[in-house]
Amino acid sequence: QVQLVQSGAEVKKPGASVKVSCKASGYSFTGYVMHWVRQAPGQRLEWMGWINAGNGNTKYSQNFQGRVTITMDTSASTAYMELSSLRSEDTAVYYCARGVRGRADTTFYFDYWGQGTLVTVSS
Amino acid sequence: DIQMTQSPSSLSASVGDRVTITCRASQGISTWLAWYQQKPEKAPKSLIYAASSLQSGVPSRFSGSGSGTDFTLTISSLQPEDFATYYCQQYNSYPITFGQGTRLEIK
Repeated sequence: QVQLVQSGAEVKKPGASVKVSCKASGYSFTGYVMHWVRQAPGQRLEWMGWINAGNGNTKYSQNFQGRVTITMDTSASTAYMELSSLRSEDTAVYYCARGVRGRADTTFYFDYWGQGTLVTVSS
Repeated sequence: DIQMTQSPSSLSASVGDRVTITCRASQGISTWLAWYQQKPEKAPKSLIYAASSLQSGVPSRFSGSGSGTDFTLTISSLQPEDFATYYCQQYNSYPITFGQGTRLEIK
């Protein structure tokens, strides 16, 4: 069965960076696009970006102004999301989610999600 | 960006009730709409994609409809495990955006 298992909770100081991992199993890792979505306390879900595990191409939300980098290690079937220049507003649960293609094969909905990783930014 | 607005924001209902949640897009998105269920401290779970297609394994009491800007998620007969928060998501264009959620509570 498809599983996405994320790394554990992190506490970071403002200005630092955080890197969250997402290990996939139960399907062909390189056959799908992996997305990252976050949810601040009491807020709606917010899409951050994706990586095409087949060719390494990436796409990011402009809302993160170059602060987010998504990478992967195909040998480990693992995707990573790094967020830099952290501020208190980045305190959230970060999810990886497998994308299923939609319009023109360029957009996606999400059929499987990781369990989430809480990132707390506090001085 | 396409804004997604759900109504109501919260809803109280009883087991066995029929419930409808509405999602409105700020511009037309054809049928590129998905619905998710999220329980406290858990990841979202996919329910519906392409506005009306049921995700594998999801009970048939869940259904979706709509196109363009107006969409609905209907639960035909509420079960105890259905009390959760529901989100819509558009995937017509970037950035992918979600509704603010509808919290379904037990009356």
